[in-house]
Amino acid sequence: DTGVSQDPRHKITKRGQNVTFRCDPISEHNRLYWYRQTLGQGPEFLTYFQNEAQLEKSRLLSNRFSAERPKGSFSTLEIQRTEQGDSAMYLCGGGPNTDTQYFGPGTRLTVL
Amino acid sequence: QKEVEQNSGPLSVPEGAIASLNCTYSDRVSQSFFWYRQYSGKSPELIMSIYSNGDKEDGRFTAQLNKASQYVSLLIRDSQPSDSATYLCAVNLIQGAQKLVFGQGTRLTINP
Repeated sequence: DTGVSQDPRHKITKRGQNVTFRCDPISEHNRLYWYRQTLGQGPEFLTYFQNEAQLEKSRLLSNRFSAERPKGSFSTLEIQRTEQGDSAMYLCGGGPNTDTQYFGPGTRLTVL
Repeated sequence: QKEVEQNSGPLSVPEGAIASLNCTYSDRVSQSFFWYRQYSGKSPELIMSIYSNGDKEDGRFTAQLNKASQYVSLLIRDSQPSDSATYLCAVNLIQGAQKLVFGQGTRLTINP
């Protein structure tokens, strides 16, 4: 058990719809990361929180993407006006420090 | 040049043999290096971390780091069919940066 849960595990949506994913790390994981992984590629960094502060964002995180971590506990990742290119596995990682990132089971998004 | 490069494979190794997985990275100041294992349809699982030049052993796994050559490898001794997976190399490229950069992964198949 990595101490990171994600919901939903799978999401199928139509192009143009908004989707929201949730990540719940254990309290020891004050650092929280979002990555995106497409088929045949390694995960790509999207954003990072330390407690409730969003400290780093990738250029991959277009203005259609927003992430929050209110109160420094769970986090949400929202994608507005989804596009087919958004289809991917969205991974949430947590850890007590940068050097220890444990991933949750991921949310697989399919945009039709 | 990609920041973290791996041979995508597939790499096929007979059961009981040593599997050798390689990774090169571009940034000389990188400090932290990780190997993740990812089974098909699952999220990456952290299996090894290494920070200093030389070897680090954990059970059947040995990570090797050579910072001068910007090279990190993973050896799996006594390979088992359950080791069949994609192995992802990840590097914290910039000291203090709060993200990992992943290679594309090497697909390993252990043949009984």
